[in-house]
Amino acid sequence: AQTVTQSQPEMSVQEAETVTLSCTYDTSESDYYLFWYKQPPSRQMILVIRQEAYKQQNATENRFSVNFQKAAKSFSLKISDSQLGDAAMYFCAYRGGGTSYGKLTFGQGTILTVHP
Amino acid sequence: ETGVTQTPRHLVMGMTNKKSLKCEQHLGHNAMYWYKQSAKKPLELMFVYSLEERVENNSVPSRFSPECPNSSHLFLHLHTLQPEDSALYLCASSQDGFGTGGSPLHFGNGTRLTVT
Repeated sequence: AQTVTQSQPEMSVQEAETVTLSCTYDTSESDYYLFWYKQPPSRQMILVIRQEAYKQQNATENRFSVNFQKAAKSFSLKISDSQLGDAAMYFCAYRGGGTSYGKLTFGQGTILTVHP
Repeated sequence: ETGVTQTPRHLVMGMTNKKSLKCEQHLGHNAMYWYKQSAKKPLELMFVYSLEERVENNSVPSRFSPECPNSSHLFLHLHTLQPEDSALYLCASSQDGFGTGGSPLHFGNGTRLTVT
């Protein structure tokens, strides 16, 4: 079974600074997808970024980028120029690429605090 | 984003009550999911429906009964719940059903359930 581990229960960053959230996963599959989701106090899980395992290039979305290390099974999220609105719980998630339909396996989450 | 709508937003019920959670997606997706989010635990997948057929029941107690009458609606019927069932219940949908594409899940705002 796949597992996802986020080793940082809480992180903090100053506004306009950069922060990196860590995620590792365990799988025997070669084809899969990785995601970062953000959950603000409104409770809605919002997709931040998506990475396909077969792509070596790291995904980027504006101020958000990932460092995907397939051999090390590591998938960290970098937030540049942090903003107050980035404060939320961040979840790393894994999805198999075979017949596992849409099942996502989530990490425990990292609470990000942004200080003005 | 209002693509996935969940009602009610909050629900308090006694252990002998029967209630239902409702989810509606307006995205034309083929798959729908129920997840349970408890404090200090990773999100737990409960049920998956693909093209209105239940494809996964993740060892969920029978006091939780899902229903998917069509690809846009998903219900979770609750009866004789226990206090440990108190949690945030999240509904999600995705474009694909089985297997391919790695489509991300789109989540609703969740129903905060308290069992007294």
